[in-house]
Amino acid sequence: DVKVTQSSRYLVKRTGEKVFLECVQDMDHENMFWYRQDPGLGLRLIYFSYDVKMKEKGDIPEGYSVSREKKERFSLILESASTNQTSMYLCASSTWFGDTGDTGELFFGEGSRLTVL
Amino acid sequence: AQKITQTQPGMFVQEKEAVTLDCTYDTSDQSYGLFWYKQPSSGEMIFLIYQGSYDEQNATEGRYSLNFQKARKSANLVISASQLGDSAMYFCAMRERDGYNTDKLIFGTGTRLQVFP
Repeated sequence: DVKVTQSSRYLVKRTGEKVFLECVQDMDHENMFWYRQDPGLGLRLIYFSYDVKMKEKGDIPEGYSVSREKKERFSLILESASTNQTSMYLCASSTWFGDTGDTGELFFGEGSRLTVL
Repeated sequence: AQKITQTQPGMFVQEKEAVTLDCTYDTSDQSYGLFWYKQPSSGEMIFLIYQGSYDEQNATEGRYSLNFQKARKSANLVISASQLGDSAMYFCAMRERDGYNTDKLIFGTGTRLQVFP
């Protein structure tokens, strides 16, 4: 069964702490993504990566960074957590659109709900 | 400007009835894809259906169909014979290619569907 696994379902951190959210996929996908989900705002793209050591900013990168040292792993880092980063974080992966009929569909992890106090 | 617009924050439908969830999109690309995802209260994102911009037939997957009207830039999801288990959040998304030739999905704000007996 193909899978995207996020390391923590629930985290509680304090303002100013450094936070790591880990994501691993076993589908050999080239592309990986981090989204943030907030009520009324839907899913917003934070960062994405189309190759190892490559990263691109999404729509809301401020306050976040990412790391992709291996193809299967994509980490989201909050250097200094703030209360406005309390949210649900969703990791996803995909292959390229057009590869053997692929649609570019995203495969999601279960999400990490982060609370910053 | 919103690229994906879901104007219905919430919808109610009686069990066994059909329901339409609205989605309009904005793009100048000729090649794009449209997706619908379901998110139950447990939080996982479940892929439902896909429509490519060049597909002439409306996509169908079991009780789900996508009413694709290209000239109007709409991609409404139709759920026939609603079931209690259809109660969830539904997201419309569009695949777009950015300047780095990477495909990413842009999501709408979602519609919460509640099915009542």
